[in-house]
Amino acid sequence: ETGVTQTPRHLVMGMTNKKSLKCEQHLGHNAMYWYKQSAKKPLELMFVYNFKEQTENNSVPSRFSPECPNSSHLFLHLHTLQPEDSALYLCASSQLTAGGSYEQYFGPGTRLTVT
Amino acid sequence: TQLLEQSPQFLSIQEGENLTVYCNSSSVFSSLQWYRQEPGEGPVLLVTVVTGGEVKKLKRLTFQFGDARKDSSLHITAAQTGDTGLYLCAGVMEYGNKLVFGAGTILRVKS
Repeated sequence: ETGVTQTPRHLVMGMTNKKSLKCEQHLGHNAMYWYKQSAKKPLELMFVYNFKEQTENNSVPSRFSPECPNSSHLFLHLHTLQPEDSALYLCASSQLTAGGSYEQYFGPGTRLTVT
Repeated sequence: TQLLEQSPQFLSIQEGENLTVYCNSSSVFSSLQWYRQEPGEGPVLLVTVVTGGEVKKLKRLTFQFGDARKDSSLHITAAQTGDTGLYLCAGVMEYGNKLVFGAGTILRVKS
């Protein structure tokens, strides 16, 4: 595998289900991100992990719970979601350096539908 | 209010035409990136510009960073159907080292 991979690619879940999204990066980067992309809305940054430590949480509801066991893997645990949470969830990685450009390498995304 | 305003929001053109999309802000950025996203996929980095006034070319795509590092443009010459997609600009804010994305320009190139 190369780049950033995400599984599953598609997920349909009920509002009472619990599911997890998985992301893996094969680029040796030190930072990983979760983004939400909804129709007709800009890309929304949800969480940032730098060397496995969460450095940013952009007021994301607690029904979304991230986990970063190491610098190559990132999970997003989902529970009791709402229909408005239906969106494309994108994972990205980057190599953070002082004065760097934060260039993002994205995975293909998980298309989530909450019924 | 978006920190990075992209225009137009949507552009539909015929194959062979030229086009320019814009990314504007009142804030200064230490660097700016352009991405292209095709349906069902994640955004793919096209280019990063870091110096005010910088121009970079990627085949038929020309990217320019404004002199004051507050704006950028992407010009496509002789558009092809394969250029269809969502074009996103993203900038690293000069103060705070925060990366922000614009809302994107949806480009449709018809054959």
